[in-house]
Amino acid sequence: EAEVAQSPRYKITEKSQAVAFWCDPISGHATLYWYRQILGQGPELLVQFQDESVVDDSQLPKDRFSAERLKGVDSTLKIQPAELGDSAMYLCASSRGGEGLEQFFGPGTRLTVL
Amino acid sequence: GNSVTQMEGPVTLSEEAFLTINCTYTATGYPSLFWYVQYPGEGLQLLLKATKADDKGSNKGFEATYRKETTSFHLEKGSVQVSDSAVYFCALGRTGSARQLTFGSGTQLTVLP
Repeated sequence: EAEVAQSPRYKITEKSQAVAFWCDPISGHATLYWYRQILGQGPELLVQFQDESVVDDSQLPKDRFSAERLKGVDSTLKIQPAELGDSAMYLCASSRGGEGLEQFFGPGTRLTVL
Repeated sequence: GNSVTQMEGPVTLSEEAFLTINCTYTATGYPSLFWYVQYPGEGLQLLLKATKADDKGSNKGFEATYRKETTSFHLEKGSVQVSDSAVYFCALGRTGSARQLTFGSGTQLTVLP
């Protein structure tokens, strides 16, 4: 069964350092999402891609966060510099697109900023 | 804007007990509704969905009915198992140019043997 892959699974960094997360969606899924999930809360959308184009990045803190999906397949989310408040689970999801809304989630990257 | 409200947890039940987790929503138009489950250390998995009013989604013994008149999508299971212990998220999705999900805050369920 096809799955969304994410790496690393866990990342510990010090504040002011740069971190990067990688996501490989299910093959053929045109839409890719990055979410941030703070402990005890539901996921909140950071950025949405349709193929290689950004559809919505209104909730992405652009002064420190960036995301790209250069060839419309895998994607990278970067934080520079990391702050203590960035500690969270970062989830990637993908969907087929069209009228289907079902999203398939990866296992996530747990970020701890010290 | 769209929002989802879930009953506060955590919820602790004995095995074979009846489960209800309440979910209500606010949305414009006619959203689709979802329940996702998250096991410890894992990402979210789709549990069930309903795309229009009066639809009933079901999977693995869980059920939820899309009630437009009460704007609700409560999750139920007749007999829970220890393996059902997880966090459950209600979500609504809107169609259009930006197909996005809005999640509730989640309900932690613990089932004791």
